[in-house]
Amino acid sequence: DAGVTQSPTHLIKTRGQQVTLRCSPKSGHDTVSWYQQALGQGPQFIFQYYEEEERQRGNFPDRFSGHQFPNYSSELNVNALLLGDSALYLCASSFGPHHEQYFGPGTRLTVT
Amino acid sequence: AQSVTQLDSQVPVFEEAPVELRCNYSSSVSVYLFWYVQYPNQGLQLLLKYLSGSTLVESINGFEAEFNKSQTSFHLRKPSVHISDTAEYFCAVSESQGGSTSYGKLTFGQGTILTVHP
Repeated sequence: DAGVTQSPTHLIKTRGQQVTLRCSPKSGHDTVSWYQQALGQGPQFIFQYYEEEERQRGNFPDRFSGHQFPNYSSELNVNALLLGDSALYLCASSFGPHHEQYFGPGTRLTVT
Repeated sequence: AQSVTQLDSQVPVFEEAPVELRCNYSSSVSVYLFWYVQYPNQGLQLLLKYLSGSTLVESINGFEAEFNKSQTSFHLRKPSVHISDTAEYFCAVSESQGGSTSYGKLTFGQGTILTVHP
């Protein structure tokens, strides 16, 4: 049984560019949440997708957007990248929006 | 709004010594509580959780945590640590009431780096 998978594992982008990160949830899970973990910090909630809709959103600008597909996989898009967007982006899946979340290994984004 | 405070950013201990990692939270509603562990260059793994029932919860690898509602704490303890316990530990909360705007969202503390020395 595959756990939560994320791609790519590492990514280097230039300021102003756009990036798309991908997440496949654990088998049987239908909810995906995204978190940003800056170096030396705890993860911060970006948003949560359930039934292909954004259900909750943290304190992140509109440059951060997402999508959930019918197979429950999800994408996180970040436009107009800033140096401060450099972080580990974690995807977590759960069965329903309020159940235990299982985390993927993360995508390390570096903005230069 | 919820918040989590992990009182120690780094905790160095010797192998086989006991350890306590402290976590306090603030919330206006009932919460679920979690401890996650993160090994270098990896994602988060759930260590243990409190949802309801007994206030003392245990993990399979010897960690335990006790929910103290009056002190709004959820400290993590282990009576005897191993080198392999070296990692960063995160305390997290989520609201336990349906219909809340932050239901299901995890709020994390800043993390505690546990370093076990031989």
